[in-house]
Amino acid sequence: DAKTTQPPSMDCAEGRAANLPCNHSTISGNEYVYWYRQIHSQGPQYIIHGLKNNETNEMASLIITEDRKSSTLILPHATLRDTAVYYCIVRVGTGNQFYFGTGTSLTVIP
Amino acid sequence: NAGVTQTPKFQVLKTGQSMTLQCAQDMNHEYMSWYRQDPGMGLRLIHYSVGAGITDQGEVPNGYNVSRSTTEDFPLRLLSAAPSQTSVYFCASSYSGSGVSKNIQYFGAGTRLSVL
Repeated sequence: DAKTTQPPSMDCAEGRAANLPCNHSTISGNEYVYWYRQIHSQGPQYIIHGLKNNETNEMASLIITEDRKSSTLILPHATLRDTAVYYCIVRVGTGNQFYFGTGTSLTVIP
Repeated sequence: NAGVTQTPKFQVLKTGQSMTLQCAQDMNHEYMSWYRQDPGMGLRLIHYSVGAGITDQGEVPNGYNVSRSTTEDFPLRLLSAAPSQTSVYFCASSYSGSGVSKNIQYFGAGTRLSVL
C-alpha cells in the first residue's frame, strides 16, 4: 500500500522559502499526491495536489520528481501564519482510503 | 457556504456511555469520512462512505458505527465509550467524480471528545 514519509519537523526563517519533502516511493502510476496543512488543532486545509507535472497555485508550488517517488512542497515566502503541520497524502490500495501519516511540523521563525 | 459542519465541538462522556457525533456537508459530495487524531499523531481513518447507503471500514473501526442515509449526513456512533476513544474527531467530504477537483477533502472543525 502506498504510504508517505516526511521529516518530523523543520524550521524556516520568515520571508524565506520553505521546502518540505515527502517520500512516496510506492505510489501507483495514476495516483495523485495531495498536500494539506493543519494549524493548531483545526481541521486540515487543502493546499495543492499533483500527478506528475509541477503545480503552482496561490498558496504554494509542488515539485514532483520524474520517477514520482518523491515530491517537495514549496512555500515561496514563509510567514508566521504558515507555522503548521504539513501532510503529504496518497491513496492507500484501490479503495478510497488516504494515508495521512504524522506530517512535518513547520515552524516559521521571525 | 457552510462546507462541513460538525457537532458538538466538545463532549465529555463517562465510560460505557453512547453518543453520536454529527457531520453534515452542503457541497453534494459523494465521499465522506471520519478520522481520529490522538495527541502528537496524524489522522487515522475510522470509517468512510462513497455514497448514500454505502459505508466501509478504515484503519481503526472498532468501537464505532456509521450509517449514510442521505448524501448530506454521515453520523459517527460510539456504542460504549472507552477512555481509549478520547481524541479529536474530524469529518471530511470530497467530490469523487472525474476532474481536477476529485478527492480534495474538505474538513470540519473537529469534535474534541474526552471519555472519563
